[in-house]
Amino acid sequence: DAGVTQSPTHLIKTRGQQVTLRCSPISGHKSVSWYQQVLGQGPQFIFQYYEKEERGRGNFPDRFSARQFPNYSSELNVNALLLGDSALYLCASSSLTPGTGKTYEQYFGPGTRLTVT
Amino acid sequence: KQEVTQIPAALSVPEGENLVLNCSFTDSAIYNLQWFRQDPGKGLTSLLLIQSSQREQTSGRLNASLDKSSGRSTLYIAASQPGDSATYLCAVKDGYAGKSTFGDGTTLTVKP
Repeated sequence: DAGVTQSPTHLIKTRGQQVTLRCSPISGHKSVSWYQQVLGQGPQFIFQYYEKEERGRGNFPDRFSARQFPNYSSELNVNALLLGDSALYLCASSSLTPGTGKTYEQYFGPGTRLTVT
Repeated sequence: KQEVTQIPAALSVPEGENLVLNCSFTDSAIYNLQWFRQDPGKGLTSLLLIQSSQREQTSGRLNASLDKSSGRSTLYIAASQPGDSATYLCAVKDGYAGKSTFGDGTTLTVKP
């Protein structure tokens, strides 16, 4: 089975521009979460979507937005990019898996490396 | 607000040594705790997941324990190998659909 996929792999943008990052979850997973990871730190939670509804939002400005599509794939949009938005953006998918003891185990994609110049 | 701390930040050991990585969290009302491995510039690989009702999980040379009352988890790696060199992150999930809070990780180097 294919794991979580993200596109693009790398992206270079200029301050003030807008960017869209994409994520496809593992087949059958209905929950997608987005994280920002700055070098040397742990990932910071941005959004979680479940069944196309926002279920959680981290402490990020309104320049960050996301959505989930009927096929459970997701997009993260960042407007008016700042230098501080340069980071690795990670997508994770998870699913309720009854009987396995692995409820909502998160599986991460390879990430999108965003550089803002 | 949940806070997760991992100590030490970096660890260097000779091959073959058994080692323990520590993770502490401030709010014991967690849903689960997950340990990950991250190689430089890569995504996260899930190692072990412990539900809030469990005390430990094992996979191969890895064993993770959870003590909710004290807000601690440990990841035990037996007979370390150079291929174990990576950053190890723990993440605490608040609520069944809540966010995960990560520590900043422990960077492990296993010397041949």
